[in-house]
Amino acid sequence: GQQLNQSPQSMFIQEGEDVSMNCTSSSIFNTWLWYKQDPGEGPVLLIALYKAGELTSNGRLTAQFGITRKDSFLNISASIPSDVGIYFCAGLTGYGGSQGNLIFGKGTKLSVKP
Amino acid sequence: DGGITQSPKYLFRKEGQNVTLSCEQNLNHDAMYWYRQDPGQGLRLIYYSQIVNDFQKGDIAEGYSVSREKKESFPLTVTSAQKNPTAFYLCASSITVYNEQFFGPGTRLTVL
Repeated sequence: GQQLNQSPQSMFIQEGEDVSMNCTSSSIFNTWLWYKQDPGEGPVLLIALYKAGELTSNGRLTAQFGITRKDSFLNISASIPSDVGIYFCAGLTGYGGSQGNLIFGKGTKLSVKP
Repeated sequence: DGGITQSPKYLFRKEGQNVTLSCEQNLNHDAMYWYRQDPGQGLRLIYYSQIVNDFQKGDIAEGYSVSREKKESFPLTVTSAQKNPTAFYLCASSITVYNEQFFGPGTRLTVL
């Protein structure tokens, strides 16, 4: 099936730092989505990207839909403690199959530097 | 207050028992989904439904069953045939299968 390679798998942040993560695939997607999941909760949609090259912000978060439609990145500026959690990228295809239309990355876990 | 509700938040069952997890949405979405998440893992699709009275198997449908008799409801039954049912179960919905999905709060099922 289709796969999304999300990196890094985990990272440690210090308050005030900027954070970057990305997703790549060999497949083309029509829409890129970024979710955040807190422990024991469902993922919450942060940003949706609908066009190749699109750059969208949501507060301190900025995400871009890659021009090739095969990748996307998420930046978090001036991180704060409540940014910790797991961030998932997801790509929407135009067809279903056993994976459905939405393909998920394996997540980037953000933790606070000890 | 629009959204997706899952109940209960925590569920305990004995091995060999079937159990049904509830998912309701009042967003008027056509499509609904069930995912399974294991510790430290991503989301794996169990079943999805594009429209009432229709549903399709996902990657890991074995040992699970669903029904979609009403637009707002998509219950998931974890049967005794599911070899490793202890997991966090997430329900989601979207306007159609071609739109972004919104998730419920999840149900943590523990089989003793």
